[in-house]
Amino acid sequence: DIQMTQSPSSLSASVGDRVTITCRTSQDISTFLNWYQQKPGKAPKLLIYGASNLQSGVPSRFSGSGSGTDFTLTITSLQPADFATYYCQYSYSTPPFTFGPGTKVDIK
Amino acid sequence: EVQLVESGGGLVQPGGSLRVSCAASGFTVSSNFMTWVRQAPGKGLEWVSVIYSGGSTYYADSVKGRFTISRDNSKNTLYLQLNSLRVEDTAVYYCATAGWGHWGQGTLVTVSS
Repeated sequence: DIQMTQSPSSLSASVGDRVTITCRTSQDISTFLNWYQQKPGKAPKLLIYGASNLQSGVPSRFSGSGSGTDFTLTITSLQPADFATYYCQYSYSTPPFTFGPGTKVDIK
Repeated sequence: EVQLVESGGGLVQPGGSLRVSCAASGFTVSSNFMTWVRQAPGKGLEWVSVIYSGGSTYYADSVKGRFTISRDNSKNTLYLQLNSLRVEDTAVYYCATAGWGHWGQGTLVTVSS
């Protein structure tokens, strides 16, 4: 099975900051990677699919990049609504659809 | 509009059983890949099970042999039957659709004596 790691596990940032979260996989997964945002008590929200494709309705300050084993989620100009936990996920058509351990972004 | 509404969670003793449901509207469950994901209190997301449009099913190793995913096409509803429940199965259970773009609000299953 694919193993997923994320770094950092948490970070503190200010409104307006540029934030970068990294996801690494134990095997080459091409671009079969999703990114989610989750706020406390809420379901995850898909932000990026296929490593770099912005889900409909998601603000353009979110972007994804990478392929193979190394992926990045970038938030340019962090907004108050962006304080949340972010997860990467292996999204190929065959399970298991492993999630990364998460990165919590909070207010500095 | 696509909507998913989970129900059926509750408190159950270790070794017990429970069935959680995911009622769908705005699309046809049988025509889509449908999946369950869970989240233990204060923990990360864990994929649990999937059913494909053709009927194939898969499970995480942690639930294989104990949980069963199914669907009722006439009710446009997805189910997860949870048997031989363990304390570590305590979690919010979410259903999600093809493309992972639509999720329900989740239903809490608590396994405790």
